[in-house]
Amino acid sequence: AQSVTQLDSQVPVFEEAPVELRCNYSSSVSVYLFWYVQYPNQGLQLLLKYLSGSTLVESINGFEAEFNKSQTSFHLRKPSVHISDTAEYFCAVRAGQGGKLIFGQGTELSVKP
Amino acid sequence: NAGVMQNPRHLVRRRGQEARLRCSPMKGHSHVYWYRQLPEEGLKFMVYLQKENIIDESGMPKERFSAEFPKEGPSILRIQQVVRGDSAAYFCASSPDRTGDTEAFFGQGTRLTVV
Repeated sequence: AQSVTQLDSQVPVFEEAPVELRCNYSSSVSVYLFWYVQYPNQGLQLLLKYLSGSTLVESINGFEAEFNKSQTSFHLRKPSVHISDTAEYFCAVRAGQGGKLIFGQGTELSVKP
Repeated sequence: NAGVMQNPRHLVRRRGQEARLRCSPMKGHSHVYWYRQLPEEGLKFMVYLQKENIIDESGMPKERFSAEFPKEGPSILRIQQVVRGDSAAYFCASSPDRTGDTEAFFGQGTRLTVV
């Protein structure tokens, strides 16, 4: 079985500061890793995903995440955040053979001016 | 191509009533997943369905909850005799297949309030 732990429930930062949202997973099989973002009263949108190949994956709005197999981590980073990045971020894992996504508890990113 | 459609967006039910939540997957998608999001908690997997089949219901409460995805029409999550603890946001996601590298697309959710 797979599980996901997001170590920080809330992360307050000032605008233009860097941010890292931490995610660790456990699995006995190969997995695919995802980050989703949820804006208030909205559904989840895919931010980025790691499937294979380069361990560093990037999104179109400046976020990046690095897959670290030895540390079983998939931390999300952005060098300079904007007010509009305020949202809840969910890390998720899916077994290689497919099936359901397993989500972490979520991290609420709050960007202040 | 419309996204995953869930209705209603908001649903208010009195204790003891039934709640029926609908999910129309994206066109061409035959795999549907239901999740529940409680306040201050993450998304908890409930059930995974393919057309006319329940693939994984390991997250479904043993009583009062049921789900279906008929050959024609939307997927339905049904909660009988609702209680206050059922108040939550229920999200549906769909994907074209079950392979692990396939993205799941989420609907806007149905926010159920039990009064």
